[in-house]
Amino acid sequence: NAGVTQTPKFRVLKTGQSMTLLCAQDMNHEYMYWYRQDPGMGLRLIHYSVGEGTTAKGEVPDGYNVSRLKKQNFLLGLESAAPSQTSVYFCASTRTGTYEQYFGPGTRLTVT
Amino acid sequence: QQQVKQSPQSLIVQKGGISIINCAYENTAFDYFPWYQQFPGKGPALLIAIRPDVSEKKEGRFTISFNKSAKQFSLHIMDSQPGDSATYFCAAAGGGTGNQFYFGTGTSLTVIP
Repeated sequence: NAGVTQTPKFRVLKTGQSMTLLCAQDMNHEYMYWYRQDPGMGLRLIHYSVGEGTTAKGEVPDGYNVSRLKKQNFLLGLESAAPSQTSVYFCASTRTGTYEQYFGPGTRLTVT
Repeated sequence: QQQVKQSPQSLIVQKGGISIINCAYENTAFDYFPWYQQFPGKGPALLIAIRPDVSEKKEGRFTISFNKSAKQFSLHIMDSQPGDSATYFCAAAGGGTGNQFYFGTGTSLTVIP
């Protein structure tokens, strides 16, 4: 039982490049989330999903897209990276009927 | 508008002392209030959580105090240890938010031996 895993752990992009972050969970959780963490700002919700095939916007969705084609995977895409997207990205999941949220180890993204 | 406000930003406590972190929330529909602990380079981990129908919850050295009328809740760490040095986040979820979580800005706790 690996819990929540994230790929990659680190990435450096140039402005305008695109990339996809992968989140996978093996706990059969319905809900999945993508957050960004910036110094002094806590965790801010980018997008989330309440089940396979569904996605919804969070607090800071601009510049990001997501997809949930399989229940266990939640992908976060940056179509045209900007320096303002330099951050640590965390994926999380929760089981339906609970609020217990499990986080992945994070992806540190730098956009130059 | 920030849904959850957390203070202090940083805290230094002597070993054996009590660490207290405070949070205030806006949305009275929230019905779940967790605290997360995060070590450098790691993801946040759920530490303890409370529902608004109780005023206090204790798990080992960690206690949440909840004041519904004031829309405030706090984390108390008794007998603080150097291993408790981490960043702590409060959050709120539920009610009409559709399972969205709103986090405080975090408190960096340092416990001095």
